[in-house]
Amino acid sequence: SQTIHQWPATLVQPVGSPLSLECTVEGTSNPNLYWYRQAAGRGLQLLFYSVGIGQISSEVPQNLSASRPQDRQFILSSKKLLLSDSGFYLCAWSWSGTGIYEQYFGPGTRLTVT
Amino acid sequence: AQSVAQPEDQVNVAEGNPLTVKCTYSVSGNPYLFWYVQYPNRGLQFLLKYITGDNLVKGSYGFEAEFNKSQTSFHLKKPSALVSDSALYFCAVRDNSGSARQLTFGSGTQLTVLP
Repeated sequence: SQTIHQWPATLVQPVGSPLSLECTVEGTSNPNLYWYRQAAGRGLQLLFYSVGIGQISSEVPQNLSASRPQDRQFILSSKKLLLSDSGFYLCAWSWSGTGIYEQYFGPGTRLTVT
Repeated sequence: AQSVAQPEDQVNVAEGNPLTVKCTYSVSGNPYLFWYVQYPNRGLQFLLKYITGDNLVKGSYGFEAEFNKSQTSFHLKKPSALVSDSALYFCAVRDNSGSARQLTFGSGTQLTVLP
């Protein structure tokens, strides 16, 4: 079976500090990978998605970046955090290919920028 | 472009009563629809999806959803609500552009089941 991991679970960082959130998937190959941000416990905003190693698509302009150094690893980064970067960050994966596939979500990282 | 609307921010229902969480959609082409549930400080859990076929889709934890093409709706239902069903529910529609971007989510509906 497939499992998705995210760490850390919670993070408190000062404004201007760097950020690195990691997501890994087990039990599948060549998944599509996604980073979302959820603000105020409600709507989901898609930040990045990836269909393969080194292939990143950005949905919104921001001071965040994403990388996929390995097939099942997806990293969200920032060089300098802003207060507005606070939120709940969710990683998700789905099967690749032409089928109609649901996404499966990780447990999330709660980021507070102070 | 596709979109999905959840017209109710909050739904309250008594335990044991049937529940309905509403969702309407707008897509060009065939609609592919999904429901997810989120418990506090947790990731989203997949409940069910509609691709084609029977308009009544059964999913996890006793939930089902009814696809209605004429009303462009995909309401989530459960015959008898449990207190443990209290959570945030999201409807989503697939992006038919063929890109991996895939899902557009609604704004969520907070379901509270009262004991």
